[in-house]
Amino acid sequence: KNQVEQSPQSLIILEGKNCTLQCNYTVSPFSNLRWYKQDTGRGPVSLTIMTFSENTKSNGRYTATLDADTKQSSLHITASQLSDSASYICVVSLTLNDYKLSFGAGTTVTVRA
Amino acid sequence: NAGVTQTPKFRVLKTGQSMTLLCAQDMNHEYMYWYRQDPGMGLRLIHYSVGEGTTAKGEVPDGYNVSRLKKQNFLLGLESAAPSQTSVYFCASSYSETLGQGLNTEAFFGQGTRLTVV
Repeated sequence: KNQVEQSPQSLIILEGKNCTLQCNYTVSPFSNLRWYKQDTGRGPVSLTIMTFSENTKSNGRYTATLDADTKQSSLHITASQLSDSASYICVVSLTLNDYKLSFGAGTTVTVRA
Repeated sequence: NAGVTQTPKFRVLKTGQSMTLLCAQDMNHEYMYWYRQDPGMGLRLIHYSVGEGTTAKGEVPDGYNVSRLKKQNFLLGLESAAPSQTSVYFCASSYSETLGQGLNTEAFFGQGTRLTVV
């Protein structure tokens, strides 16, 4: 069973609008949580990283939040652009001594003009 | 600085054929990984390596073998390809450093190899 669950599976938004993606994880302790962006036909690229002691992290129009108590994270995209069309993947580093990563299935975002 | 480079980018195999996927990184990272990505699923770890000369099994290692003879290269082999191995394969490398009270394990990915087994 995947230990990282993302929702929604996909969404469509109009250019200029905001959207929020959700990530729930079921394992602990974890070292850090990262959001990746994957353009079609490309490998994932890191957007943000948060350790368990951090609540929020921004990267331009992307803002990630983390609630370690409820084991939830969100990624908010502000004023979406066509270039934001991609799959967004939540990734959890599961332990402090293991470098393996656990990936969510991703949320596919389509931004339309 | 090319980052992580995978070859080939596309390949079609017949059932039973063998092939090797090559991954090369020029960032001097200790850790390297092979993942497969299938529709509707998260990336799944096939094998990984924490250093030159070492390899370990991931979540879905059956049907694959790997080697890490040089620090910068990580090879993924399919000895007898099966249609179930049709997938997009990603290689990644990572470093690890202390970040606050945790570890930063950012992974850098290659462009992917789209493999079809018919």
